Amino acid sequence: NAGVTQTPKFQVLKTGQSMTLQCAQDMNHEYMSWYRQDPGMGLRLIHYSVGAGITDQGEVPNGYNVSRSTTEDFPLRLLSAAPSQTSVYFCASSPLGTGASGANVLTFGAGSRLTVL
Amino acid sequence: AQSVTQPDIHITVSEGASLELRCNYSYGATPYLFWYVQSPGQGLQLLLKYFSGDTLVQGIKGFEAEFKRSQSSFNLRKPSVHWSDAAEYFCAVVNQAGTALIFGKGTTLSVSS
Repeated sequence: NAGVTQTPKFQVLKTGQSMTLQCAQDMNHEYMSWYRQDPGMGLRLIHYSVGAGITDQGEVPNGYNVSRSTTEDFPLRLLSAAPSQTSVYFCASSPLGTGASGANVLTFGAGSRLTVL
Repeated sequence: AQSVTQPDIHITVSEGASLELRCNYSYGATPYLFWYVQSPGQGLQLLLKYFSGDTLVQGIKGFEAEFKRSQSSFNLRKPSVHWSDAAEYFCAVVNQAGTALIFGKGTTLSVSS
C-alpha cells in the first residue's frame, strides 16, 4: 500500500501566486487533515475533514482552502501565497468509528516543503 | 485551551545511555495520548499510544511511555539509546472534540558516541 501520498515534495512560489498541494490516501480513511510544521512551533492544524463533502477549520486556516470530493483525496489550496506560508506541510489520515483502539492514530505523508519568495 | 508541553527543546544522550523525554498535557478528562517520531526530511511515525488501561505502554523500537494522571504527564523512555534514535520526537493529545491532534513543539534528540 502507498499509504498517504503528497505532491509535490518541493515547491517555490512568488508572493501572490496560487497553488494546490495534493494529498491522496489508499486506506479508505474517513478522516484527513493538513498540518503545517514550522521550526520551534510543532505541528499546527490547518483544516480537516471527517468524510467526503465535510470539511472544517483547524487552528491556522487563514489563507488556505480545502475540499473533499472523494474519500481518497484532500487537496490544500493556497489562494494568494504569502512569505508567512513558507513551511513544511503534512497531510495525515486516520479511520473513524473504530473505537478507542483505532481512532485518531494518524498516518502521515512524507511532507511538502513550500517556499514563498 | 488544551495544550501539550515538551519542556526540553534539545537533548543529547550518549549511545547506550537511558533516555527520558518529558511531556505534560492539559486536559480535563482521560486523554488519548501519542508519541510520534520524525527523522530528518521524513513524515511522522507513531511510536506508541495510550487510550486507556495499563498506564505503562510499550511501543516500537524499544520505547515505552507511562501515563501519570496525577502529574498530567506522558513521558517517553528507552533504556538504551542507539545512534539511529536521533530524531525529533513529538507528544500529542486528541482534542476534546475528537477532531484533531494537538502537538507539542517537539524535542530534538542527538546521540553522541
